Amino acid sequence: DVKVTQSSRYLVKRTGEKVFLECVQDMDHENMFWYRQDPGLGLRLIYFSYDVKMKEKGDIPEGYSVSREKKERFSLILESASTNQTSMYLCASRERTSYEQYFGPGTRLTVT
Amino acid sequence: QKEVEQNSGPLSVPEGAIASLNCTYSDRVSQSFFWYRQYSGKSPELIMSIYSNGDKEDGRFTAQLNKASQYVSLLIRDSQPSDSATYLCAVFSGGYQKVTFGTGTKLQVIP
Repeated sequence: DVKVTQSSRYLVKRTGEKVFLECVQDMDHENMFWYRQDPGLGLRLIYFSYDVKMKEKGDIPEGYSVSREKKERFSLILESASTNQTSMYLCASRERTSYEQYFGPGTRLTVT
Repeated sequence: QKEVEQNSGPLSVPEGAIASLNCTYSDRVSQSFFWYRQYSGKSPELIMSIYSNGDKEDGRFTAQLNKASQYVSLLIRDSQPSDSATYLCAVFSGGYQKVTFGTGTKLQVIP
């Protein structure tokens, strides 16, 4: 079974703090994704990566950056957290030749 | 902007009935279609994939695809209270290289 893990299930941070969210997958998948999910807005893609050190902006990259130094690990960084970044953050991965994405358990981030 | 549309619901069905969930998409070149189930407070779980026109069955679930009408559906037979969740439709369009998700339909199965 594909296993995608995320570093925290719940996180509370203060406005202006730098926040790191980590995602690790154990299936040697090339592609990894970061989404946020908000009521009524669905899943929105923040960034994705199709290889080590490679990244592409998704639909809402503003205020975020990412890092992929190893194939199994994809990190999302909030450089200066703001209250409008309070959300559920979901990591996903998939093989290059398949479009079936597998999600981690999610991190519910609250910025106060 | 590629779009995937679903009725937000809630769709309420009695236990044992067939639940029918529908999804339309705007990009004619869409190639791959997926259904995810998401329980409240949990992450989406892939339950069905369909790539060609027609029906695909897996246990109590049947996915139906009609590319001419740009329509994909999920049927759940013998619905159980444990099927109560939000169901997300997702579409992969090769030219766009990303999976686009609908906002989901909330299903409630009434015992």
